[in-house]
Amino acid sequence: AQSVTQLGSHVSVSEGALVLLRCNYSSSVPPYLFWYVQYPNQGLQLLLKYTSAATLVKGINGFEAEFKKSETSFHLTKPSAHMSDAAEYFCAVSFGNEKLTFGTGTRLTIIP
Amino acid sequence: GAVVSQHPSRVICKSGTSVKIECRSLDFQATTMFWYRQFPKQSLMLMATSNEGSKATYEQGVEKDKFLINHASLTLSTLTVTSAHPEDSSFYICSADGLAGGRSSYNEQFFGPGTRLTVL
Repeated sequence: AQSVTQLGSHVSVSEGALVLLRCNYSSSVPPYLFWYVQYPNQGLQLLLKYTSAATLVKGINGFEAEFKKSETSFHLTKPSAHMSDAAEYFCAVSFGNEKLTFGTGTRLTIIP
Repeated sequence: GAVVSQHPSRVICKSGTSVKIECRSLDFQATTMFWYRQFPKQSLMLMATSNEGSKATYEQGVEKDKFLINHASLTLSTLTVTSAHPEDSSFYICSADGLAGGRSSYNEQFFGPGTRLTVL
């Protein structure tokens, strides 16, 4: 069965510092991988997605993620954190036509 | 990207009443929609898959008589919480399947903004 693990339920970084949010998946077949962001009391907004094209994926708001098959990882990064990046981030995985499976989420706090 | 709306955004009701939440795909036809439930500070839990013109497929542990899903048109799915109780208070989010609706070449879901249900 497919699964996704997000390491660290809470991450705090200083404004201007590197943001790194970790996501690992388990799968026996190539996955589709997604990162979503959720602001308080709002739905999910797609940040970026990996669909078996380039392994380094660039998304919105300066975020990017790299698919590493050898490490079964799809970590999300941003070189310089902004106060507006404070939110909940979800990694999700799907295989072919199967439904999405979400990670448990990581709450990102930005320290002024 | 494709736009999905939900109505209402917030609803407060008394215990024992029923509440209907609408999910609409505004610029594409969504033959498949999904309903999620999210408790505070937790991830999204899939409740059911809504298929246009057929019965919804519920996840294990979700009461289908409690959470009625109707997908009568290609752009509208509704979730009715029947005889709501305080423990049903939650954030309900719908999404529409872009692959099934021809908006995506893979299983990408487009999410609505969510509905906050509070049962007193």
